[in-house]
Amino acid sequence: EIVMTQSPATLSVSPGERATLSCRASQSVNSNLAWFQQKPGQAPRLLIYGASTRATGIPARFSGSGSGTEFTLTISSLQSEDFAVYYCQQYNNWPPLTFGGGTKVEIK
Amino acid sequence: QVQLVQSGSEVKKPGASVKVSCKASGYTFANYYVHWVRQAPGQGLEWMGIINPSGGGTSYAQKFQGRVTMTRDTSTSTVYMDLSSLRSEDTAVYYCARGSSGTYYNHLDYWGQGTLVTVSS
Repeated sequence: EIVMTQSPATLSVSPGERATLSCRASQSVNSNLAWFQQKPGQAPRLLIYGASTRATGIPARFSGSGSGTEFTLTISSLQSEDFAVYYCQQYNNWPPLTFGGGTKVEIK
Repeated sequence: QVQLVQSGSEVKKPGASVKVSCKASGYTFANYYVHWVRQAPGQGLEWMGIINPSGGGTSYAQKFQGRVTMTRDTSTSTVYMDLSSLRSEDTAVYYCARGSSGTYYNHLDYWGQGTLVTVSS
């Protein structure tokens, strides 16, 4: 099973600042990595797939990079609606699909 | 537009079973896998398994083998997740999510609204 590790667990950022979230895989997942945003009481929402492709309707301030075992989600200028929990997930080698433990982005 | 609409909340006693439904619309049902993911209160996301609506083939996470059954009804474009021998640790929100294709490398692109299953005596 591929273990996905996200860091940091919590990120405190001021509105308008840049946020950088990390995700590491225990073995290569090539570019078969997705990022999701989840707000309280809501289902996860797909942000990024293929490590760097924005999903339909996702603003350009969200960008993904990386391949192999190291990945980054960057939010260039945080808006109030971006404060949420973010999960990475690999779909390169399954079953099982595996998720990271999440990074909570909170208001500083 | 793609929609996945799940059945309502359930309260079950330990040892019972629960069946959650997920009705798909806005796309060709047979062409896309459907995954099930759960989230315990305050916890992260946990993948449970996948069903191919075309032929009904399934693959389950080892943790749930023997307790979970995923089925589909092509006449109503609905998939079902049945979890048996419930225990308190199964209290969670259960989500269905569409795979982006019917091939191996598919990501989860659309999600249902979630179904809260509470297991309590």
